[in-house]
Amino acid sequence: DIVVTQSPGSLAVSLGERATINCRSSQSILYSSSNKNYLAWYQQKPGQPPKLLIYWSSTRESGVPDRFSGSGSGTDFTLTISSLQAEDVAVYYCQQFYSTPPTFGQGTKVEIK
Amino acid sequence: QVQLVQSGTEVKKPGASVKVSCKASGYFFTTYYMHWVRQAPGQGLEWMGIVNPSGGGTSYAQKFQGRITMTRDTSTSTVHMELSSLGSEDTAVYYCARDHCSGADCFSYYFDYWGQGTLVTVSS
Repeated sequence: DIVVTQSPGSLAVSLGERATINCRSSQSILYSSSNKNYLAWYQQKPGQPPKLLIYWSSTRESGVPDRFSGSGSGTDFTLTISSLQAEDVAVYYCQQFYSTPPTFGQGTKVEIK
Repeated sequence: QVQLVQSGTEVKKPGASVKVSCKASGYFFTTYYMHWVRQAPGQGLEWMGIVNPSGGGTSYAQKFQGRITMTRDTSTSTVHMELSSLGSEDTAVYYCARDHCSGADCFSYYFDYWGQGTLVTVSS
């Protein structure tokens, strides 16, 4: 199975500041024939199911604010929240879907400083 | 609008089985594969398996092979997940989650809509 590791485990960011979450996979999840990275990001608020934010490492799901962006390729990826809002307090997960079983990172908790 | 509505909280004894249902609405049920993902208390997300709502074909995570069964009922647009031989480590919230890809034999293994979750507690 591909192991997905996130860092940091938690971070506190001031309102309006940038939040950056890292995600690393144990092997490349770049599919060379399509040049797509098989990585998604989710946001999970307390008591709610996860919500899809980004797929193909950088494509925003419909309706997701543009302050959320994804980048990276191969084994190293980043989710950036450009200007943190109060409603962004949540746990964020990355997930590889390059091979089965799809696997998730352990999550990064984002709080307000 | 797309909705996945799951059955309610379950409390089971060790060794028992549990069956969780997920009723879909707001889209063509047979055109999107459905997955099950679970989350133990305070823990991360774990994929369990996938079911084809059209043909009924399934694929399960190796960890659950032999004690998990996913089925679907096209007449009610519902998928079911049954897990047997429950242990305390199976205490978790179980989610159904729709695959992002639509169309015959299209699956992406990432998830655009999720059910609200069903808490299954295994305790003697």
